[in-house]
Amino acid sequence: SQQGEEDPQALSIQEGENATMNCSYKTSINNLQWYRQNSGRGLVHLILIRSNEREKHSGRLRVTLDTSKKSSSLLITASRAADTASYFCATDGNQFYFGTGTSLTVIP
Amino acid sequence: KAGVTQTPRYLIKTRGQQVTLSCSPISGHRSVSWYQQTPGQGLQFLFEYFSETQRNKGNFPGRFSGRQFSNSRSEMNVSTLELGDSALYLCASRGRESSGANVLTFGAGSRLTVL
Repeated sequence: SQQGEEDPQALSIQEGENATMNCSYKTSINNLQWYRQNSGRGLVHLILIRSNEREKHSGRLRVTLDTSKKSSSLLITASRAADTASYFCATDGNQFYFGTGTSLTVIP
Repeated sequence: KAGVTQTPRYLIKTRGQQVTLSCSPISGHRSVSWYQQTPGQGLQFLFEYFSETQRNKGNFPGRFSGRQFSNSRSEMNVSTLELGDSALYLCASRGRESSGANVLTFGAGSRLTVL
């Protein structure tokens, strides 16, 4: 069964705006990761945050983690049309558990 | 270094047939995982192989099987295809990033259509 759930399922914003998507998970984790998938392609690893970290930045990406609430958020600042994709959170374990994804559309 | 290679990229089969998909992981990676992705279902874990042994298995019927060879290349097979098997099948190899954490590198996927 799915470990993570992303919210919202779909998000549409104008270019230049910020995009925020959330992830909730069920069990304890070592780390939480975010991946991006362009239409019909494989997933690409974006960023990883460890369970003892609360916030992490990478370029225009900012990830937060709240282990007490078992939730994470991914913020993409100053969005571009090229950011249009689906975004998945994943938790590690014996296997990687992926959520159902947030479909982000950035309108030029 | 070369990424994860999946073949074929697209294929069309009819109900009742069987299909074999191939995945070559990143050189040096010994773990290969397979996922099924259908609209609205997210990524469903099929199985993971490590050093030619199945290490984990998802909740799929026995029609779905896999194997891994000594060079770490992996194949998955689906027998007696059903319409519901139409999906994007993704392969991923597991490696360690500089922090020591495991991350997955995915192939481009094999798009299976069952008619």
